Amino acid sequence: KNQVEQSPQSLIILEGKNCTLQCNYTVSPFSNLRWYKQDTGRGPVSLTIMTFSENTKSNGRYTATLDADTKQSSLHITASQLSDSASYICVVSAHRGNNRLAFGKGNQVVVIP
Amino acid sequence: NAGVTQTPKFQVLKTGQSMTLQCAQDMNHNSMYWYRQDPGMGLRLIYYSASEGTTDKGEVPNGYNVSRLNKREFSLRLESAAPSQTSVYFCASSELSRAGNSPLHFGNGTRLTVT
Repeated sequence: KNQVEQSPQSLIILEGKNCTLQCNYTVSPFSNLRWYKQDTGRGPVSLTIMTFSENTKSNGRYTATLDADTKQSSLHITASQLSDSASYICVVSAHRGNNRLAFGKGNQVVVIP
Repeated sequence: NAGVTQTPKFQVLKTGQSMTLQCAQDMNHNSMYWYRQDPGMGLRLIYYSASEGTTDKGEVPNGYNVSRLNKREFSLRLESAAPSQTSVYFCASSELSRAGNSPLHFGNGTRLTVT
């Protein structure tokens, strides 16, 4: 079973509207969680990192939240733009154990004018 | 600012052929990684190198070999390509040796088709 589950798998939103992407994880012990943005035909780029003690963090129009008790994170996109069309990947790191990251399958977002 | 550079960008191979995917980073990062990305699946780790001179298997290493040539370069070799290796391959690097302690910086991928 995948240790990181993202929903919805894909969504279409109108330019200017907001949307929220969800990430649930089972990785333990938790170290941190990153959101990456992957444009079509490009490699993923880090948007933000959430550590155990952080609840909310913003990066421009992107706001990430973390609830370490329920093992859930969300990424909120405010006032979407056409350039927000991309796949958003949730990546979770364990505090110890093998030196590997757990990747979600991504949320595919399409912004239409 | 080149970051992580991968070559080639596209490649078509016949079953049984061999090839090497090249990757170089100019950020003086310690760790380098090779991932594959397939439709409907998350990125999967093939091999990684936590520091110059070391390499370790990831979750899907079969059919691949790697070489950490120096701190900058990390190559991935397919000795005898199979159709199941059709994928998009990403090289990444990170400053710190422990995965997750620093962000991954990805190249733009090599799109490989094996017929």
